[in-house]
Amino acid sequence: DQQVKQNSPSLSVQEGRISILNCDYTNSMFDYFLWYKKYPAEGPTFLISISSIKDKNEDGRFTVFLNKSAKHLSLHIVPSQPGDSAVYFCAAGPNDYKLSFGAGTTVTVRA
Amino acid sequence: DAGITQSPRYKITETGRQVTLMCHQTWSHSYMFWYRQDLGHGLRLIYYSAAADITDKGEVPDGYVVSRSKTENFPLTLESATRSQTSVYFCASSPRDEQFFGPGTRLTVL
Repeated sequence: DQQVKQNSPSLSVQEGRISILNCDYTNSMFDYFLWYKKYPAEGPTFLISISSIKDKNEDGRFTVFLNKSAKHLSLHIVPSQPGDSAVYFCAAGPNDYKLSFGAGTTVTVRA
Repeated sequence: DAGITQSPRYKITETGRQVTLMCHQTWSHSYMFWYRQDLGHGLRLIYYSAAADITDKGEVPDGYVVSRSKTENFPLTLESATRSQTSVYFCASSPRDEQFFGPGTRLTVL
């Protein structure tokens, strides 16, 4: 059974607008949360992470929010740019070396 | 070249054959990982290694064997390939925290 779920397989957003990607997890022992970005024919690359003691972490246009009581994670991209078109994976685990990944959300940024 | 490389990038094999996927990293990261990516499942951890000669099972280890005699190499062997092992395989390395992924190997088992 998948411990990390991304229920939206795809998201289409206009350039300049906000992209919001959601992720839910089931294991209350998870303390480490990350987002990875993947372009076709390439390996995933790290985007942003958040530790369980925080509820928000920002890095430029990317902000990750964590709601531990709801076991919910979200990624906001503001403003969205054409280069943001990619597959985004949510990952979570009890530590940083045993991660469970979601199935991914494909983001398409329209000009 | 610095970084993490995988070989081959593409492989077609037949059911029952043994296949080894290679992974090499130049950073001397202590941790290395093997994942498989399948539609609808995202990335699933097969095996990981915390250091040379230390390996442990991930979520989907059945049918796979790993070894790590040197810090920089982490080969993945399918001892008797099955059609269900058709997938894209990613190797990753990490000093802790962020994982750095290779470009992937697309394996097809006929």
